[in-house]
Amino acid sequence: EAGVTQFPSHSVIEKGQTVTLRCDPISGHDNLYWYRRVMGKEIKFLLHFVKESKQDESGMPNNRFLAERTGGTYSTLKVQPAELEDSGVYFCASSQLAYNEQFFGPGTRLTVL
Amino acid sequence: GDSVTQMEGPVTLSEEACLTINCTYTATGYPSLFWYVQYPGEGLQLLLKATKADDKGSNKGFEATYRKETTSFHLEKGSVQVSDSAVYFCALSDLTQGGSEKLVFGKGTKLTVNP
Repeated sequence: EAGVTQFPSHSVIEKGQTVTLRCDPISGHDNLYWYRRVMGKEIKFLLHFVKESKQDESGMPNNRFLAERTGGTYSTLKVQPAELEDSGVYFCASSQLAYNEQFFGPGTRLTVL
Repeated sequence: GDSVTQMEGPVTLSEEACLTINCTYTATGYPSLFWYVQYPGEGLQLLLKATKADDKGSNKGFEATYRKETTSFHLEKGSVQVSDSAVYFCALSDLTQGGSEKLVFGKGTKLTVNP
């Protein structure tokens, strides 16, 4: 069975540009999470979907970040416009309902110049 | 809010040496505790977990015991291998106000094992 996949693996953009990250969870996993690790700091929670609904987006840093999960399958995280401090590794994780083991993707490394 | 503190390293050991990576936490509730491992070029993988006090999680020769009295979950292995070289993250589960069970991570400890 395929694990959580993320695309792209790396993205280098200039300040002010837009980037969209994609996450494909494990099939059948209704929970989908986004996390971010900024250089030298902890991995931090961004938001949580249950199916297509946002359960909690309290970790989203500001309104330049927009996450969607249309149809309850894959999810996208758009950063518009990107700022230097958005650089880091963005992780996606998924889990089954009622199970607290989250399965992580390899992450997308975003560099904003 | 809840937080996790782990020794930051980096840690460099010779093969067959003993490993301990310290992890302590602060939490208002009664969280589950986890160790995740990230091998080079890969995503985070769950290494082991414990859900209540005095539980011992174990996997691949690694162990950690949930110590509520000292709020600790130290990772140990008696004899490390070169293949254990990775970044290790201690984490706890925290229920957010929105009802999500998010993970709260430590900063990670990079382990390098030399032959």
